[in-house]
Amino acid sequence: DTAVSQTPKYLVTQMGNDKSIKCEQNLGHDTMYWYKQDSKKFLKIMFSYNNKELIINETVPNRFSPKSPDKAHLNLHINSLELGDSAVYFCASSRRLAGVTDTQYFGPGTRLTVL
Amino acid sequence: DQQVKQNSPSLSVQEGRISILNCDYTNSMFDYFLWYKKYPAEGPTFLISISSIKDKNEDGRFTVFLNKSAKHLSLHIVPSQPGDSAVYFCAAKEGTSGSRLTFGEGTQLTVNP
Repeated sequence: DTAVSQTPKYLVTQMGNDKSIKCEQNLGHDTMYWYKQDSKKFLKIMFSYNNKELIINETVPNRFSPKSPDKAHLNLHINSLELGDSAVYFCASSRRLAGVTDTQYFGPGTRLTVL
Repeated sequence: DQQVKQNSPSLSVQEGRISILNCDYTNSMFDYFLWYKKYPAEGPTFLISISSIKDKNEDGRFTVFLNKSAKHLSLHIVPSQPGDSAVYFCAAKEGTSGSRLTFGEGTQLTVNP
């Protein structure tokens, strides 16, 4: 059973399009995250949600809009895609928000390529 | 401003020998540190962690050392195995920031048979 799953695994699209990436976790965790791994390989947090509530919103263009229909799902919608949005996007989850020692479990990643 | 740095993009060792991966940080508020391992086309998986109140944590072949005064941590793998070949990410947390992880850029470890 996959703990944190993301769809699609690969996404190739044209500039200006709108696309969504879906994430689901079956771990019963309260907190979910989106990270972006850019061309320099840094993994940087974009958003975190706790029980469907937005907690962390890093300096991310408002073209990126996370949506959490329930605590097991955190989807990422991106409007008006730009070349610089090309990256690998990772979803993650952890048991609690404020648990310093809580491990984050990552999905397999979605490689987004904007042409 | 990169608060967690892994200055070696790659490391190659022989099977059976020790692998030492290094990580430096600049934020003195970090109080919990983690190592993640990542295979190609997969997400990072948690490997081992250490709290700032400790200077060493061991789990099987993996040991993490923390030197707070130097703001430096290292991951030792001994003995190294070919299956350990992966990218290793160092990450850090501040207690007050709860769940926010700050990652280094990763080190590609290759263990040669």
